[in-house]
Amino acid sequence: DTAVSQTPKYLVTQMGNDKSIKCEQNLGHDTMYWYKQDSKKFLKIMFSYNNKELIINETVPNRFSPKSPDKAHLNLHINSLELGDSAVYFCASSQGGGGAEQFFGPGTRLTVL
Amino acid sequence: DAKTTQPPSMDCAEGRAANLPCNHSTISGNEYVYWYRQIHSQGPQYIIHGLKNNETNEMASLIITEDRKSSTLILPHATLRDTAVYYCIVRFTHSNSGYALNFGKGTSLLVTP
Repeated sequence: DTAVSQTPKYLVTQMGNDKSIKCEQNLGHDTMYWYKQDSKKFLKIMFSYNNKELIINETVPNRFSPKSPDKAHLNLHINSLELGDSAVYFCASSQGGGGAEQFFGPGTRLTVL
Repeated sequence: DAKTTQPPSMDCAEGRAANLPCNHSTISGNEYVYWYRQIHSQGPQYIIHGLKNNETNEMASLIITEDRKSSTLILPHATLRDTAVYYCIVRFTHSNSGYALNFGKGTSLLVTP
């Protein structure tokens, strides 16, 4: 069973389009995250939700909007895609925050043409 | 969170111990040292963490110096599948809310036959 799953795995789209990436975890965790890994391989936090409540919102353009319908899901919607949004997006989850081990999904490679 | 410094790359022969150093000279008393790794094209994977004492689990050992300003991750018998980027991360663990992982550049470990 996949602990943290993301769909789609690959996403190729045109500039200006709107797209969503879905994340689901079956670990019963209450905290979920979105990270972005750019072309230089730097991994940076974007958002974190605890019990469906947004608790971390880094300096991310308003075009990015996370949505957590329940504790097991954290989706990422991106409006008006730009070339610079091309990256690998990783979802993660943990039980609580603090020092809890984070479990990462396989990533979604987004390419904006 | 304290900043960490790691060598950009290291080589290790298969079957030998891989010793990955990390400098965290500005670490404070209640910050833990965490290690994650990222195998090519996969999501990061938790390895081990510690505060003061040395720690060991099925994957690795973590040796923290007495002054806590540096640490070493030891993979006792490296295999080809251990080829990955290894991240040393220092963070607080006192919060019950989600805490982001601040990934640096890490050490790219290449295990050779």
